[in-house]
Amino acid sequence: GQNIDQPTEMTATEGAIVQINCTYQTSGFNGLFWYQQHAGEAPTFLSYNVLDGLEEKGRFSSFLSRSKGYSYLLLKELQMKDSASYLCAVMDSNYQLIWGAGTKLIIKP
Amino acid sequence: DAMVIQNPRYQVTQFGKPVTLSCSQTLNHNVMYWYQQKSSQAPKLLFHYYDKDFNNEADTPDNFQSRRPNTSFCFLDIRSPGLGDAAMYLCATSRDREYNEQFFGPGTRLTVL
Repeated sequence: GQNIDQPTEMTATEGAIVQINCTYQTSGFNGLFWYQQHAGEAPTFLSYNVLDGLEEKGRFSSFLSRSKGYSYLLLKELQMKDSASYLCAVMDSNYQLIWGAGTKLIIKP
Repeated sequence: DAMVIQNPRYQVTQFGKPVTLSCSQTLNHNVMYWYQQKSSQAPKLLFHYYDKDFNNEADTPDNFQSRRPNTSFCFLDIRSPGLGDAAMYLCATSRDREYNEQFFGPGTRLTVL
């Protein structure tokens, strides 16, 4: 079966750095997405990785290792507004998105 | 601004009473998706349209139907809602299937009494 694993919940301090990991086992691979979802709202796109390596976008960076079936999302200079769930999703060989259940990130002052 | 719009934002229905949720998009995207998301769970794909080509997920109950009368609009019909169907329903679009950045509407939260 297809599987996306990410931690259920993480806590970090305002101003700090946090890394949210995602491992996957899917039928084929056509890219990995990270989405942010605030409580009661729709997911919004953060990043897309299809090649190995690090993609940086402002305070957020996303890393991919296809050989290890592994990605992480790195958030720097955390702000209170970063409190949200972060969903990892992989596009399989049929171009379907397989979603993880999300990591709830709690930011403390 | 180009966007995905869902109506209503909140829907309350009674057990067994049919309900229709609507989604419209101004992005002119080819693909439209309907997801069901329950609290602290991953979005679950119900079905998607690639243009007029309808694709039903194997485990989507028959109770759920969809219509896409034109490029801009897509509807989700729940014929006989049960208590287990209470969830957030998310509509999303993408330009194509292959590059799959999906743009989501704000969602409709369905309550079944």
